[in-house]
Amino acid sequence: KNQVEQSPQSLIILEGKNCTLQCNYTVSPFSNLRWYKQDTGRGPVSLTIMTFSENTKSNGRYTATLDADTKQSSLHITASQLSDSASYLCVVSGENYGGATNKLIFGTGTLLAVQP
Amino acid sequence: ETGVTQTPRHLVMGMTNKKSLKCEQHLGHNAMYWYKQSAKKPLELMFVYNFKEQTENNSVPSRFSPECPNSSHLFLHLHTLQPEDSALYLCASSQRQSEAFFGQGTRLTVV
Repeated sequence: KNQVEQSPQSLIILEGKNCTLQCNYTVSPFSNLRWYKQDTGRGPVSLTIMTFSENTKSNGRYTATLDADTKQSSLHITASQLSDSASYLCVVSGENYGGATNKLIFGTGTLLAVQP
Repeated sequence: ETGVTQTPRHLVMGMTNKKSLKCEQHLGHNAMYWYKQSAKKPLELMFVYNFKEQTENNSVPSRFSPECPNSSHLFLHLHTLQPEDSALYLCASSQRQSEAFFGQGTRLTVV
């Protein structure tokens, strides 16, 4: 069964500290993996996207890694800010050969709270 | 702004009401999606459209009725909903299998 599991479920850190969020997946065949940030009550916004051939990608203070062999990904946030408080979703896209639409499988998310 | 707009942002409806959610994108994308997000659950795919044609219905109850009059607009018609249907309903669009852009969502409460 295609699944995406994230850990921890929730995390509280102090402003300025770093943190790492984890994602394990069992999606096959695999096309790409994305991390989204979702503020409370709003839609998800993309942070990074990686294909199986990429093992790291950065977007400002966000760095994502991917190990396609072990089917694990992580999102590292550096020098956290209060505005980083949100839910972070790991989303795996299954390969949809020749298809015209995405097949996205979502994790339940990690709820991050950054405190002053 | 992601280029995907949803209205209304909040909706409270009784179980006997009929209401509609609207989604609009002017990104030129071919694919549009409806997702349901309940507390502590992953986003659940409801419907997928490719250029106005429904390509996927993920066993959604008939009290949810989608409509896609053109490739820029997507509706979700609601009738005789149950309290457990209360959730955040998200619309998304993509150009084929590239990145999906999400709207801000409609927070639905069924009373």
